[in-house]
Formats: sequence, structure tokens, C-alpha cells
Amino acid sequence: QQPVQSPQAVILREGEDAVINCSSSKALYSVHWYRQKHGEAPVFLMILLKGGEQKGHEKISASFNEKKQQSSLYLTASQLSYSGTYFCGTEKNSGYALNFGKGTSLLVTP
Amino acid sequence: DGGITQSPKYLFRKEGQNVTLSCEQNLNHDAMYWYRQDPGQGLRLIYYSQIVNDFQKGDIAEGYSVSREKKESFPLTVTSAQKNPTAFYLCASSIGLAVETQYFGPGTRLLVL
Repeated sequence: QQPVQSPQAVILREGEDAVINCSSSKALYSVHWYRQKHGEAPVFLMILLKGGEQKGHEKISASFNEKKQQSSLYLTASQLSYSGTYFCGTEKNSGYALNFGKGTSLLVTP
Repeated sequence: DGGITQSPKYLFRKEGQNVTLSCEQNLNHDAMYWYRQDPGQGLRLIYYSQIVNDFQKGDIAEGYSVSREKKESFPLTVTSAQKNPTAFYLCASSIGLAVETQYFGPGTRLLVL
């Protein structure tokens, strides 16, 4: 089942923070986060595993709450280069293909 | 350089015509995937393959077919049965299926004439 992402879109000023959420109605084994710039291929950001810790990547980090079946992506002190569409992909068990959400469009303005 | 290539970048299909999208990877990955992307719909899985000569249907396989005769190649055929084929098609690969980073190709945009 497709995970639900929120918000659908967000506009930030450079330097502001944002949180993107990804929720599933099913128990999750892992959550993957990707970013896609317009007309380009999605690029991997990070994977969070069941029982794992919060991950970080430059000023982008994420958490995974297994009980709530939810993951959140945190973007701090946003930069213009953070603009794009962010997708979460969820895996219900090891060895299953990912289900991607519909994406969250993020625009960072000067 | 290792990576995934998709060709062509743009493809036009006439009504009733089958077209094949190419996907090649030189990353020595076992798993390969095809996704369809429509505006506001995210990435929807069409087919995936964990190993040569084996593949499974994804969520929207109707009207599509694939083959996996070689590890590095996973072509997708959009058949005439697919009534709404206009979309952006992305191919991806990963080392294995379980909890692995997927690497995406640049995509093919299919348009119906």
C-alpha cells in the first residue's frame, strides 16, 4: 500500500527548517528517502531500518517511529539546492519491493 | 563510470503500437525495477526482477511486459493494451532486493501521438 506523505507542498525561505512526514497503515521494516529534481532521476538520501537510529546526512536527517509506522525527514537551515520533490519508499518486510509515496514538493526561495 | 542508462530520452507511440524502453546497468546489480511516474502520483512500480530470468508484477503491470535475459538489461515493453501510456518511465537497480539503495536511470518520457 502506498504510504501517505504530508505536506503535499511547502515553500521555504533560505535558512528555514522543514519537516516532511511519511505514514503507513501497515507495519514497516524500513523507510527510504529520495529527492528528485525536476526532469531528473530520484537520488537516494537515506534508509532507516526497523530498530535503527535516527540518521543524518549533512543538514538533512530522518527518524523512524515503528510503533506509529511513521517516518519524518528534517531539513534544517534549508539551502536553495534542497528544492525538489521528496519521496519516501516503504518496505513492509525484508525482501519486498518498495512502495513510494506521492511525494512532497519543496521549494526554497532566496 | 558505473551507472544506469535508459534510452531513448523521448519516445513517441502511435495508437495500437507496442514500444520498448531500454534499461542497461553496469553496476553488477542483481535487482532491477521499472516505475511509472505521473504528475502528483509518485513512483508506481510496474515490474521488478531479483535475478536473471525471473520477474514479478508490481502494482500497475497491466499493459506492460518485461524480460530479464541478461543481468545488465531489463527492457520494458509498453503494449497496445496500455490505454494511457503517456508518462515518465524510470528504471532502477539495486545490489539486492532487501533494504538496498536503488539507483535510478535518467528516465524515458513516452508520449502518444
